Amino acid sequence: EIVLTQSPGTLSLSPGERATLSCRASQSVSSNHLAWYQQKAGQAPRLLIHGASSRATGIPDRFSGSGSGTDFTLTISRLEPEDFAVYYCHQYGRSPRAFGQGTKVEIK
Amino acid sequence: QVQLVESGGGVVQPGRSLRLSCSASGFSFSTYPLQWVRQAPGKGLEWVAVVSYDGRNEYYADSVKGRFTISRDNSRDTVYLQMSSLRPEDTAVYYCARENDFYFLDYWGQGTLVTVSS
Repeated sequence: EIVLTQSPGTLSLSPGERATLSCRASQSVSSNHLAWYQQKAGQAPRLLIHGASSRATGIPDRFSGSGSGTDFTLTISRLEPEDFAVYYCHQYGRSPRAFGQGTKVEIK
Repeated sequence: QVQLVESGGGVVQPGRSLRLSCSASGFSFSTYPLQWVRQAPGKGLEWVAVVSYDGRNEYYADSVKGRFTISRDNSRDTVYLQMSSLRPEDTAVYYCARENDFYFLDYWGQGTLVTVSS
């Protein structure tokens, strides 16, 4: 079973700043089957990134994903007010699928 | 457009059963695997179960194995989650989500809340 650990738990930043979120897997994620989701309060998760680095349809290019194997990163180049939310990584390469525990990006 | 609408949530006593439904539209339902993911109040996302496009294969999280059953009716474009022997720790919003051709979850429903309490 793959366990995903996200860091930091909370990121306090100002609009316009750069956000770097980390996701570390306990085993190598096969074929880079790693996705990132954004979730706002009371809403369903929204797909941002799949295949570790491919932006989903309609996602602004300020969001980028990178990494391979066991270490993955989501970067938001310049935070917009609507980007303050919780972000989850998700491995879908093996069953059981798994989510990280989330990183909250909050306004400083 | 793709839509997934969950229903069947509510308040249930520990040890009892409940069946959730997820009705789909806007895509060829019978060609996609479907999954259930849950989120306890104030907590993160937890993967629960997946059913193959034809209903022949199912996989479960250890936390629900033996108590929950995922199934689908391709004639009704609906996926189900039969939950039995419910525990307070099963309290969560339950989301259904579509697994696309590349195995990731691309569309999610809005969720249905299950509260297990006496």
